[in-house]
Amino acid sequence: NAGVTQTPKFQVLKTGQSMTLQCAQDMNHEYMSWYRQDPGMGLRLIHYSVGAGITDQGEVPNGYNVSRSTTEDFPLRLLSAAPSQTSVYFCASTKQGASTDTQYFGPGTRLTVL
Amino acid sequence: TQLLEQSPQFLSIQEGENLTVYCNSSSVFSSLQWYRQEPGEGPVLLVTVVTGGEVKKLKRLTFQFGDARKDSSLHITAAQPGDTGLYLCASPSGTYKYIFGTGTRLKVLA
Repeated sequence: NAGVTQTPKFQVLKTGQSMTLQCAQDMNHEYMSWYRQDPGMGLRLIHYSVGAGITDQGEVPNGYNVSRSTTEDFPLRLLSAAPSQTSVYFCASTKQGASTDTQYFGPGTRLTVL
Repeated sequence: TQLLEQSPQFLSIQEGENLTVYCNSSSVFSSLQWYRQEPGEGPVLLVTVVTGGEVKKLKRLTFQFGDARKDSSLHITAAQPGDTGLYLCASPSGTYKYIFGTGTRLKVLA
């Protein structure tokens, strides 16, 4: 199993450009999520999905769109990049347990918006 | 809104020393997770604690959940350079949602 994969590893954008961050998992987990990590602020939830065709907003959703057409893939779209979106982005896939869940994180995408 | 506060923010120690990091909240945790994140990688789950007063051990790491389930600690005995990383606590904040603390960045010097 590859686990959770993310592409690209690094990306530099100019203000106003759009792009899609890719995330895929091969563990057949229903629940997936996107976080951003900024210095001194931990990880903040952007969007999440509880299964194919179902998505919802997290703590910081503005400026981002998601879709979930398959169980495996959960892309994150930046419609018009802004410098405030400079961050490290992590995708996670969750294995649901009887009493607790386990989140598996991808290696991250480091995005710089100039 | 539940907030998770971690302390200290930074910690630099010599190999062989012991250390404790803390995670606190003003609200009761339903459960609490500890993660370790190494540079350039995503967080990796170390442990989940569920019951107040619970203690779990993972080799040289000891995790404790406060009796009132509003705080947790991670104690490392005889730290090694391989323990270097960012330690994060996280707790559910609703169905399928987790909030994370700001983290403790640990550096263990050889």
